[in-house]
Amino acid sequence: AQSVTQPDIHITVSEGASLELRCNYSYGATPYLFWYVQSPGQGLQLLLKYFSGDTLVQGIKGFEAEFKRSQSSFNLRKPSVHWSDAAEYFCAVGAPGTASKLTFGTGTRLQVTL
Amino acid sequence: EPEVTQTPSHQVTQMGQEVILRCVPISNHLYFYWYRQILGQKVEFLVSFYNNEISEKSEIFDDQFSVERPDGSNFTLKIRSTKLEDSAMYFCASSVGDGRLQETQYFGPGTRLLVL
Repeated sequence: AQSVTQPDIHITVSEGASLELRCNYSYGATPYLFWYVQSPGQGLQLLLKYFSGDTLVQGIKGFEAEFKRSQSSFNLRKPSVHWSDAAEYFCAVGAPGTASKLTFGTGTRLQVTL
Repeated sequence: EPEVTQTPSHQVTQMGQEVILRCVPISNHLYFYWYRQILGQKVEFLVSFYNNEISEKSEIFDDQFSVERPDGSNFTLKIRSTKLEDSAMYFCASSVGDGRLQETQYFGPGTRLLVL
């Protein structure tokens, strides 16, 4: 069964500092990997996704993530955090194929201090 | 940019009542999904739906739940005889479903259901 672990429940960073949110997955083959962001009172917005190819993927809002098969990880990074990045971030894994269900991690809540 | 919409944004109901949560998927999408997020917990898959049939459902999606595409634009989740533990945020999602392997699911803003 597929699973996702986000070891950090809550992270606080200063505005302008770099950010890395950790995500580890468990899946038998090469998974499809996603990062979603949920701002307060909002739905889930797709930040970026990895299906195949280049292991460093670029997303919206200046985010990037790197797929490392050897570590079963898909960490999300941003070089300089903005106060508007404060939100909850979810890593998700899906199996290849149409309409595969997504399995989400428990999320990491990001707080940004000014 | 097209987006998934959901109504209502919030719903309060009494235990034992039936609720219907509504979703309008992105217009050219063919696969639809429901997920839920109990407060403080992870987002969980409930069901996927294609061509007027359930494609996959989780253990959570028991006889209390049903889904329907009543017309060409709406996708609904019905919860019969609600229980306190049904209180959660319910997310609808849709994807293109044109047979490509690389499907991306787009989520709506959610309906927060509170069962009293």
